Amino acid sequence: DGGITQSPKYLFRKEGQNVTLSCEQNLNHDAMYWYRQDPGQGLRLIYYSQIVNDFQKGDIAEGYSVSREKKESFPLTVTSAQKNPTAFYLCASRTTGGGYNEQFFGPGTRLTVL
Amino acid sequence: QKEVEQNSGPLSVPEGAIASLNCTYSDRGSQSFFWYRQYSGKSPELIMFIYSNGDKEDGRFTAQLNKASQYVSLLIRDSQPSDSATYLCAAPFGGGYNKLIFGAGTRLAVHP
Repeated sequence: DGGITQSPKYLFRKEGQNVTLSCEQNLNHDAMYWYRQDPGQGLRLIYYSQIVNDFQKGDIAEGYSVSREKKESFPLTVTSAQKNPTAFYLCASRTTGGGYNEQFFGPGTRLTVL
Repeated sequence: QKEVEQNSGPLSVPEGAIASLNCTYSDRGSQSFFWYRQYSGKSPELIMFIYSNGDKEDGRFTAQLNKASQYVSLLIRDSQPSDSATYLCAAPFGGGYNKLIFGAGTRLAVHP
């Protein structure tokens, strides 16, 4: 089955810790995205990548880091510099080229700071 | 700052009625819009894409775009309890469809 997987589903972090959220896709999509969603709010873009070894900051990149060493993988690290990391994190991917090419979302990771 | 605005709701409608969800946007250059449905605790899924003025129909869903008034709406006919979800409006920005800006979403509750 083709799709996007995110792990873990739930993650608990102590203050001062860095944690890494996994995102893998086997859809052969070029572009991948990380969003953050807070209760009652829409999705806010953290980082995105259009090709391997290249990525750009979104609207709320401070306190986060990413890498794109493989086309299939786009892990997100939430660093201790992110002061309010408790949120629902969504990874998405899309193919590029002609047309609007919708973004497909993974199931999400819910991060809670203890 | 480009913005997409939605009424957070909840919008409560009886089963079988028409649910009307609205979205306004600040960027006159916006040409197209996405409607995503998000069930509680789940990830969004695309239900409609519209890029031209007027209506676009897909089953029980109709998207309406009015560029002059800068609003886009989603109508759900014959609403079912399974339609109860949050509906997110999104617009591309920065050229192409690579980046989307999302509204906060409208929560729809369809009661039997």
